[in-house]
Amino acid sequence: SQQGEEDPQALSIQEGENATMNCSYKTSINNLQWYRQNSGRGLVHLILIRSNEREKHSGRLRVTLDTSKKSSSLLITASRAADTASYFCATAHGSSNTGKLIFGQGTTLQVKP
Amino acid sequence: DGGITQSPKYLFRKEGQNVTLSCEQNLNHDAMYWYRQDPGQGLRLIYYSQIVNDFQKGDIAEGYSVSREKKESFPLTVTSAQKNPTAFYLCASSISDSGPDTQYFGPGTRLTVL
Repeated sequence: SQQGEEDPQALSIQEGENATMNCSYKTSINNLQWYRQNSGRGLVHLILIRSNEREKHSGRLRVTLDTSKKSSSLLITASRAADTASYFCATAHGSSNTGKLIFGQGTTLQVKP
Repeated sequence: DGGITQSPKYLFRKEGQNVTLSCEQNLNHDAMYWYRQDPGQGLRLIYYSQIVNDFQKGDIAEGYSVSREKKESFPLTVTSAQKNPTAFYLCASSISDSGPDTQYFGPGTRLTVL
């Protein structure tokens, strides 16, 4: 079952612009993670935000979490052509004592040079 | 050089054959996972293992089997019972056998049924 749903499914922007992707989920979470996948490759972890955090930064990445709305957003500032990839949110259930994550469908980002 | 490896990168299977996908990690992680990814889709969990000699079914375990005889290895067998096995298979590991942690992914195996 899919916990996270992402919006938009696809996004195309010019280099230098900001890109915002959103993720909504259904049940209580322990944390929410964002991953990146280049075409035909494995996923790479970008950032983890815990349920008691509201905002987190890592370089050009900014993640927000609103547990009341059950949603998160990933902002990539000053995008580069190398940011072209698919981005997935993944949620860990609040009651889970395992490492299981549930992944969203992903947002495909294209950054045009 | 630590990491998680998968082999082969590409695999072709005839209908009715079983095939085994390899996943090895030298990160000393307790937990390992297998996911299936279809084109334009997210990841779906097939099986996971929190500790050696133990594993649990994920959301789409039918037609698949796994073993976890060693901490560093978690092979996945796609059996002939899996009716639509063509997909991209990803293996991952995480440090802890309890609690939600960051997962580290291998490069994937693309399986095609001929």
